[in-house]
Order: sequence, then structure tokens, then C-alpha cells
Amino acid sequence: EDQVTQSPEALRLQEGESSSLNCSYTVSGLRGLFWYRQDPGKGPEFLFTLYSAGEEKEKERLKATLTKKESFLHITAPKPEDSATYLCAVQGGSEKLVFGKGTKLTVNP
Amino acid sequence: DTEVTQTPKHLVMGMTNKKSLKCEQHMGHRAMYWYKQKAKKPPELMFVYSYEKLSINESVPSRFSPECPNSSLLNLHLHALQPEDSALYLCASSQDPLSPQHFGDGTRLSIL
Repeated sequence: EDQVTQSPEALRLQEGESSSLNCSYTVSGLRGLFWYRQDPGKGPEFLFTLYSAGEEKEKERLKATLTKKESFLHITAPKPEDSATYLCAVQGGSEKLVFGKGTKLTVNP
Repeated sequence: DTEVTQTPKHLVMGMTNKKSLKCEQHMGHRAMYWYKQKAKKPPELMFVYSYEKLSINESVPSRFSPECPNSSLLNLHLHALQPEDSALYLCASSQDPLSPQHFGDGTRLSIL
């Protein structure tokens, strides 16, 4: 069974304090690993897809990386508007996405 | 604003009511999804439609009935729901079943 574990569950940062979120996964035949951002009362917003170990993607202050067992979402010099819950999901041999429980990020000014 | 539009945004219904949730996308996506999300939990997959055919039903109770009238529309028909069915119902679409999914902002459903 495909599984995704995200850590930490919650993270508080000061504005400008860089950090990383972790997503560990087990999946038979990884077809893609996805990062989403979700604001309260909204649907998840797609950020990145990673397909193979060694791949990296960047968008503004966010950078996602992938190994054979885990993915990291690096946040450089975060701003308060980066506060959200970040969800990681994997897709294996079926059309089904398996989500982790998310990391709630709070960035204080 | 998202490109997946869900209506209504909020719905309150009694346990004996029948209502429908609607989802629309005009991105030409051929896969559409229904998810249920409880507070502080990740989305849970309910149904997948691939090229307008139901391809995944995650053992969802029959009081939830999906319908895909065409490639742009997805409905979720609700009947005789229970209080524990109160949740945020999210629709998503993707270009094909293996492409990134794009979500709407959901319908907040409350069962009295």
C-alpha cells in the first residue's frame, strides 16, 4: 500500500528564516510526486510535480527536490504570505493520489 | 481564482433532502475527481472519472452518486446523508489520469 508521511506537522518561522519540509514515501512504481499548498477554506493549489530521483523544481521562494525515498520542500527567506498547509502526494500504479497529512507553516512578520 | 468552478460554495441540508453538487472546468481536461476533506485532514478520494467513464469508486456509500454528463461537467448527487458526511467536498481535474490535478475551492456541506 502506498504511504506518505510528512514532517513536521507544524512549523513556525520568522520572516526570512529559511527551512525545509519533509515528505517520506513508499510506493510501488512512482509515477509522480506532487506538492500542493492549501489555504484555509480553499482547495489545494498545485505547486510542483517531480518524476524521478535527482529532479528539482523552483518557484519563487520554493524549491522541491526528490530522492528515491523522500522529497523536500525548501523555503528560502519566507514571507507571511507563505503561511499555509503544504500537502505532499504520490501517484503509483493507479490514477489515485495518496496524500500525506500536511505541514502547517506559519511565518511571523 | 481557480479554473475549476464548484457550486454551491456552501450547502446546508437535512438528512432527508436530495441535493446536488456541481463542478465545471473548461481546460479540456479528460479526468475529473471528487474528494472529501474533513477539518485538519488531507483530501480523501471518492470517485474518478476518466474520459467520462467512472474508473475508481473508493467504496463510497450509495447515498453519494456521481455523474459525468460531459467532459466539462461533474455532479455529485446527495441523498439521505448522515451528520458525519459534513465536510468540504472538492472537485479536481487533470489533463489525463496521470497529470497534475487542479482543484476547485470546494463546497462546504453541513448536514443537520
